[in-house]
Amino acid sequence: DTEVTQTPKHLVMGMTNKKSLKCEQHMGHRAMYWYKQKAKKPPELMFVYSYEKLSINESVPSRFSPECPNSSLLNLHLHALQPEDSALYLCASSQDMGQLIFGSGTRLTVV
Amino acid sequence: TQLLEQSPQFLSIQEGENLTVYCNSSSVFSSLQWYRQEPGEGPVLLVTVVTGGEVKKLKRLTFQFGDARKDSSLHITAAQPGDTGLYLCAGDRSNFGNEKLTFGTGTRLTIIP
Repeated sequence: DTEVTQTPKHLVMGMTNKKSLKCEQHMGHRAMYWYKQKAKKPPELMFVYSYEKLSINESVPSRFSPECPNSSLLNLHLHALQPEDSALYLCASSQDMGQLIFGSGTRLTVV
Repeated sequence: TQLLEQSPQFLSIQEGENLTVYCNSSSVFSSLQWYRQEPGEGPVLLVTVVTGGEVKKLKRLTFQFGDARKDSSLHITAAQPGDTGLYLCAGDRSNFGNEKLTFGTGTRLTIIP
């Protein structure tokens, strides 16, 4: 299995909703990442988990809450989002200096 | 502040032509990667360059890392419609992996059949 799987592919949520994005990989990668990509922009790093511990938080607002239940799973919990948070949310994993393997992303729309 | 500037931002050329995309920075990177992203998908890694002056070839694609490890270029020979996509360079600012990978501004390439 050489893929990073993200669910759901599309999500529409209201500003008072609570939802979660899920990411899964079974390549034994020790690092997992959340990136946010706005339309026509490059991906921006949000969080990095290394060996299931949060190692980098790029000053992301607390309405985004990451969670790494085990070495294969990465979640992003969403609460009280704003319309400007609408974007493509990308999960990735990597092993040491190896390549980043990205999932196909979750297209999030906040209404 | 964007650490990695790519040029051109947009490029539309005829099938069979050659092109070069540039990725420039004032920062030194321990490694630099090139990705291609298609609509509705995540970026897919094309190559990683680590050594200053390094040149890597991937079929019709040639990647070069600058001697000072601050810039890189991607040259495509005889472009084909399948080369269409968003090309992203990404630099690693850390000393031990991709934890601080920063993406460039992107070059949107369209190859016209």
